[in-house]
Amino acid sequence: AQTVTQSQPEMSVQEAETVTLSCTYDTSESDYYLFWYKQPPSRQMILVIRQEAYKQQNATENRFSVNFQKAAKSFSLKISDSQLGDAAMYFCAYWDFGNEKLTFGTGTRLTIIP
Amino acid sequence: DAGVIQSPRHEVTEMGQEVTLRCKPISGHDYLFWYRQTMMRGLELLIYFNNNVPIDDSGMPEDRFSAKMPNASFSTLKIQPSEPRDSAVYFCASSFDRGNQPQHFGDGTRLSIL
Repeated sequence: AQTVTQSQPEMSVQEAETVTLSCTYDTSESDYYLFWYKQPPSRQMILVIRQEAYKQQNATENRFSVNFQKAAKSFSLKISDSQLGDAAMYFCAYWDFGNEKLTFGTGTRLTIIP
Repeated sequence: DAGVIQSPRHEVTEMGQEVTLRCKPISGHDYLFWYRQTMMRGLELLIYFNNNVPIDDSGMPEDRFSAKMPNASFSTLKIQPSEPRDSAVYFCASSFDRGNQPQHFGDGTRLSIL
């Protein structure tokens, strides 16, 4: 079964600085999708960024970018110029065509220090 | 565009009572998912539908849980009878086409069983 591991339960960063959240996954599939979701205190799950495994280019969305290392099965999220509104739980998630279920990691709680 | 709409936002009820959670997916989305989020188990997929048909309900914890999707714009998750261990946040999500497309989540229902 596919597993997603987020080894950092909590992270903190100074406002305006850069922070990287780690995610590793285990799969035998070659074609799959990876996602980062943000869950602020308001509870809503918000899609941050999506990466297709067959695309070598790392996805970027404004201040958010990923470092996708397929061979290492690593999918880290980099947040540049951190803002107070970035404070949230961040979940890494995996999906493939065989399983067709979105598998989530346990999350990383990000705190932004003013 | 309206997002995924869940109701109620909060539900507090006594053990043994029937609980019904409701979800309206985004118009045009073919897939609908029900998740449960707890501190102990994180985010778990309970069941998902494709074109109103249940595809995989292997995540439904017990026979006390049931889900229906009578039409493309409405789904319910029912717990009968409810137990204190059912207390959690329940999310509904929908996506266009297959699950490789981003899932859009509702605000969730926080359920407390006393």
